[in-house]
Amino acid sequence: DAGVIQSPRHEVTEMGQEVTLRCKPISGHDYLFWYRQTMMRGLELLIYFNNNVPIDDSGMPEDRFSAKMPNASFSTLKIQPSEPRDSAVYFCASSLAGLAEYEQYFGPGTRLTVT
Amino acid sequence: RKEVEQDPGPFNVPEGATVAFNCTYSNSASQSFFWYRQDCRKEPKLLMSVYSSGNEDGRFTAQLNRASQYISLLIRDSKLSDSATYLCVVNPGGGYQKVTFGTGTKLQVIP
Repeated sequence: DAGVIQSPRHEVTEMGQEVTLRCKPISGHDYLFWYRQTMMRGLELLIYFNNNVPIDDSGMPEDRFSAKMPNASFSTLKIQPSEPRDSAVYFCASSLAGLAEYEQYFGPGTRLTVT
Repeated sequence: RKEVEQDPGPFNVPEGATVAFNCTYSNSASQSFFWYRQDCRKEPKLLMSVYSSGNEDGRFTAQLNRASQYISLLIRDSKLSDSATYLCVVNPGGGYQKVTFGTGTKLQVIP
């Protein structure tokens, strides 16, 4: 199993530009999560999906952020326009419903730098 | 009060030492608890779940204290490879898949 796949691994962009992060969850997993990690705030949940439907987007910081999951094997997180304070590592994770442990499998992350 | 709180450390311990971390949570109705490990510049990975009866996996022991609302992680005979950040994770239960991560405790095992 390839695990959760994220692209790009690194992204450097200028303030005001649109950024799109991509995620392919583990096949068969029902849940997909987007997190942001910074030194100051740690790992924050932005949004999560169940069977491609957004369930909770209360962690999305503002309207500049949007996420979609058009099918079970693909999700995107878009930031438009980007700002320097969006610089962080963005992780995608997936999990299989029904497991008592609720283990989440994380992708390698996308390190975003907005200048 | 934060939902999940951890001492950020760092905990600097010599090889072979025993070290323990605590993590407190604010929601008394929380149902599931976990420890994740995150190596530098890597993704978090599940270390172990924390059951009401405690959980032991080799050198690692996790405990839950519902009365005082904290979980603990004990590492015996520390190895250099144990150096990482340990994240406390709490799930509120009720069928929710959403979890809250603590900001982590950094462990550095010294030769």
